[in-house]
Parts: sequence; structure tokens; C-alpha cells
Amino acid sequence: QLQLQESGPGLVKPSETLSLTCTVSGGSISTTDYHWGWIRQPPGKGLEWIGSMYYIGSTYFNPSLKSRARISIDTSRDQFSLKLSPVTAADTAVYYCARQSSSYYYFDSWGQGTLVTVSS
Amino acid sequence: EIVMTQSPATLSVSPGERATLSCRASQSVGSNLAWYQQKPGQAPRLLIYGASTRATGIPARFSGSGSGTEFTLTISSLQSEDFAVYFCQQYNRWPTFGGGTKAEIK
Repeated sequence: QLQLQESGPGLVKPSETLSLTCTVSGGSISTTDYHWGWIRQPPGKGLEWIGSMYYIGSTYFNPSLKSRARISIDTSRDQFSLKLSPVTAADTAVYYCARQSSSYYYFDSWGQGTLVTVSS
Repeated sequence: EIVMTQSPATLSVSPGERATLSCRASQSVGSNLAWYQQKPGQAPRLLIYGASTRATGIPARFSGSGSGTEFTLTISSLQSEDFAVYFCQQYNRWPTFGGGTKAEIK
């Protein structure tokens, strides 16, 4: 069964870089059937898609975050990563990684999420 | 950006009753619409994609309908485990989510 697990610091200082990694197990990240994405949810609020990546390296982002976000992939480790810089308090959220259908772009498998707080 | 608007914000329903949740898109998204369920402290779970196709393992009491700009999620008979927040998401262009509908016990 496919599992995704986010990891990374839970506290980041303003103006610095948020870095998270998603480890995929129970399946390969090198598949043509899926993309791999990041979604966030500020406490008590709704969901916001950040960006997604295809295993060959192509990426696409939410226009509102495009200038600050980067996604990379390590197929040898079945991992993909998010970097967001610079961060402000408004970036405080639970960050989820998820598998995204290549055909229809819905998210069919999610990690448990990790809370990242931006504070000095 | 395609804006997704869900209504109502909160739906008070008694167990066993039918629940109807609405999602409206600011422009047509065809059938490129998904529904998710989220319980406190958990990640969202995919319920419906393609506006009306149930995801693997989703009970038949969940059904989706609509196309274009108007969509509906119906839960035919609410069970205790169905009280949660429900989000819609369009993927006609880059993905955007609705603000959610909370189904609470009446």
C-alpha cells in the first residue's frame, strides 16, 4: 500500500527557507501515471495547492507562490522535496505531500501532514 | 484563478438523514471536479473524482453529480463517521479548492 511521509523542521524563522521532504514507500516515484505535489493548510483554514512535479523533472506551481517555491525529486530514494523562500508568518501551515493523477490531477493519496510554524 | 465556492459553510444533520453539499466554480471546469473528506487532525481523503466517480473503497452512500460550474456531493444516509469537513477541488486548470463544508451532528 502506498504511503507518503513528510519530514523537516517544524519551526522556521521569518525570511529563511522552509525545506520539506516527502518519502514515498510501497510504490515507485518513477511512474508515468502520477505527479507528486505539495498542498498546505493554514490552521483552521482551507487547502492551497503549492506545486507539483513529474518524475522526469517538469514542475508547475500555483502562480501566487511560483516566485518562492521550488520542487525537486530524487528518484533513487523515492523522495521529492519542497523549498519555499523567503517565508513569513503567513506561510505557517500544515504541509501535505500527495500523489496526483497524471490524467485528471486530483490527489488520491496523501501524507499525514507536518505543521511548519514561521516565527522568530 | 478559478474560485470554488462551497455552501453551506456548516450543515447540521441528524444521523441517518440525507446531506446535500454544493460547490460552485467561477467558470466552467467541465467534469474536472473532486471531493475530499477531512477529519480533525487527518489528511484529506479522496471521495469522488471526475465529478461522479467514487474513489477506491468509498461507500456507495457517497455520490457526486454536476458539470460545468455547479456540483453536488450527496451522502444518502449520514453515518457517525461521516461527520467531517468536505472540500471540493477543480483541476481544469491549476488546482484550487473550495473553502469547505462542515457536516456536524444536529
